[in-house]
Amino acid sequence: EVQLLESGGGLVQPGGSLRLSCAASGFTFTSYAVSWVRQAPGKGLQWVSGISGSGVNTYYADSVKGRFTISRDNSKNTLYLQMNSLRAEDTAIYYCAKIPMTTVTTYLDYWGQGTLVTVSS
Amino acid sequence: QSVLTQPPSASGTPGQRVTISCSGSSSNIESNYVYWYQQLPGTAPKLLIYRNNQRPSGVPDRFSGSKSGTSASLAISGLRSEDEADYYCAAWDDSLRGGVFGGGTKLTVL
Repeated sequence: EVQLLESGGGLVQPGGSLRLSCAASGFTFTSYAVSWVRQAPGKGLQWVSGISGSGVNTYYADSVKGRFTISRDNSKNTLYLQMNSLRAEDTAIYYCAKIPMTTVTTYLDYWGQGTLVTVSS
Repeated sequence: QSVLTQPPSASGTPGQRVTISCSGSSSNIESNYVYWYQQLPGTAPKLLIYRNNQRPSGVPDRFSGSKSGTSASLAISGLRSEDEADYYCAAWDDSLRGGVFGGGTKLTVL
């Protein structure tokens, strides 16, 4: 059974940093790309970032480019999102999602339950 | 504003057929696959339609997807109360080199 378990969310001040993790199980992690998608309170889904199965190719939404870094540790079956220079508008539930291919697309076949990030003073 | 445009709301009575549109451009919908996601209240999104018109295992055939040019549609026939949810379209955007979602459509079953 595919499982994705996000962690690392919490309350952080504007300008601060946070690192999210997503522990994957039930599939061969290194064979698949993965993405982060977020949802601000009461708002719609926003694609944030994606990384290929090998970790070589990474992609970012313009709104987070230069502030967020996606990475993966295939030996630990874990996806990360390092978030720096956080802003109030980054407040959201962050979901990790599996892509059923090695390249990054918006084909997201399994989703985690999400972790809440709140940026506030 | 979202790169992909969806109506904010849609509604229908049980048994009816409803459609939800998703409008984009040549850099996203016209040149890439469209995906649809269903988000029930308080839960994570779920893949509903992949590669324009394919249903994952377990998704009822009441749900169907189509694409033409820069637009796509999700159709739900035989509407049921449990279909009440938010629906999102998504596609890759070649110009942005990233994924894009529609703003979402809240479906109400009257």
